[in-house]
Amino acid sequence: QVQLVESGGGAVQPGQSLRLSCAASGFTFTNYGMHWVRQAPDKGLEWVAVISYDGSIKNYADSVKGRFTVSRDNSKNTLYLQMNNLGPEDTAVYYCAKLPSMKTMTSWFDYWGQGTLVTVSS
Amino acid sequence: DIVMTQSPDSLAVSLGERATINCKSSQSILYSSNNNNYLAWFQHKPGQPPKLLIYWASSRESGVPDRFSGSGSATDFTLTISSLQAEDVAVYFCQQYYTNPITFGQGTRLEIK
Repeated sequence: QVQLVESGGGAVQPGQSLRLSCAASGFTFTNYGMHWVRQAPDKGLEWVAVISYDGSIKNYADSVKGRFTVSRDNSKNTLYLQMNNLGPEDTAVYYCAKLPSMKTMTSWFDYWGQGTLVTVSS
Repeated sequence: DIVMTQSPDSLAVSLGERATINCKSSQSILYSSNNNNYLAWFQHKPGQPPKLLIYWASSRESGVPDRFSGSGSATDFTLTISSLQAEDVAVYFCQQYYTNPITFGQGTRLEIK
């Protein structure tokens, strides 16, 4: 069955960096675009970034553009989110999510991971 | 950005009764060329990944019980649970995928009365 397992979260100070990983299994990872979505404490969900199935197309939310970089290693079935210059506003649970089709990058998500918590505080 | 607003924020329903959750988009998410509404519904239980329930506003995902149904068009949408079961206690949220950025409703917490 499809599994998405995030890791790499933790507590960091403002200005520091963190890299999140999302290990995928149970499907052909190379065929699907992937998204990152986050949820700050007591807030709604916020879309963060998307990457196409082959890594050639990437898009970011305005709130993270220039600071976050999404990437993937299809040989390792793993999605990444490199987060630089973190601020308190980036404190959230970060989820990776899978697209249902390789034909689009804007769609519903058919599978999500359980999330990894990032806390940015001095 | 398209703003998705859910109502109510929380809801308590008796077991076996109907639960209705609303989602309103700030602009139409109906694509006229294919007559599809670009809306999905998810269920999120603590400690678990969000689970897809409904896509295209009314298409039930495989394996989702038929007590869950979605309806609506253009800007107003509804998720209905026809007969609430104990395992349905969760937060429910809607998502539009009509345009970038993808946006979500703030969530509705469903409890047992």
